[in-house]
Amino acid sequence: DTGVSQNPRHKITKRGQNVTFRCDPISEHNRLYWYRQTLGQGPEFLTYFQNEAQLEKSRLLSDRFSAERPKGSFSTLEIQRTEQGDSAMYLCASNRDTDTDTQYFGPGTRLTVL
Amino acid sequence: DAKTTQPPSMDCAEGRAANLPCNHSTISGNEYVYWYRQIHSQGPQYIIHGLKNNETNEMASLIITEDRKSSTLILPHATLRDTAVYYCIVRVHGGSQGNLIFGKGTKLSVKP
Repeated sequence: DTGVSQNPRHKITKRGQNVTFRCDPISEHNRLYWYRQTLGQGPEFLTYFQNEAQLEKSRLLSDRFSAERPKGSFSTLEIQRTEQGDSAMYLCASNRDTDTDTQYFGPGTRLTVL
Repeated sequence: DAKTTQPPSMDCAEGRAANLPCNHSTISGNEYVYWYRQIHSQGPQYIIHGLKNNETNEMASLIITEDRKSSTLILPHATLRDTAVYYCIVRVHGGSQGNLIFGKGTKLSVKP
């Protein structure tokens, strides 16, 4: 068990470009979560999956954001037409739906939009 | 989920106990208290959770008042590596809503 992994760890892009992040959860974890964290704030929930089904989406997830988990394993988060306000740390977490609500977080992907 | 209130920052001397308070005066009977911490440039890490009894694990102890309106996370012998932001979260155990609701937490600085 190597923990939740996220790639890339850092991404610098220009405004208007599209970016995609990947999250590999702990194996056999059927729930996967995406959060966004800006400087000085706690993480804010974006969306979560149970297996391949996207069960909940925050109002923070504008139509420029899309998340997928096609085979119920890894997940991708894509941001289209990035804006400077999208600069943040994007965190992924996973757990089993039978767990005591403990979520296991990855190291995050830091996005900087210039 | 109930709202929590934490001091923005605290200092602690290395080797001493760190006591981090959390107020959750609107907690409901079926809501648990969870603690996570986030070391700089890392993702949050689960520490401990409890309903009404005091809990202890290898990382920390959780003391919940009898009326459940507040709690204290205790790190018995703080080390420099315990410097982090500590988040107190209140939520229904096993609720259908998946997300954790984080506040700004308490930034704990352990000093030599």
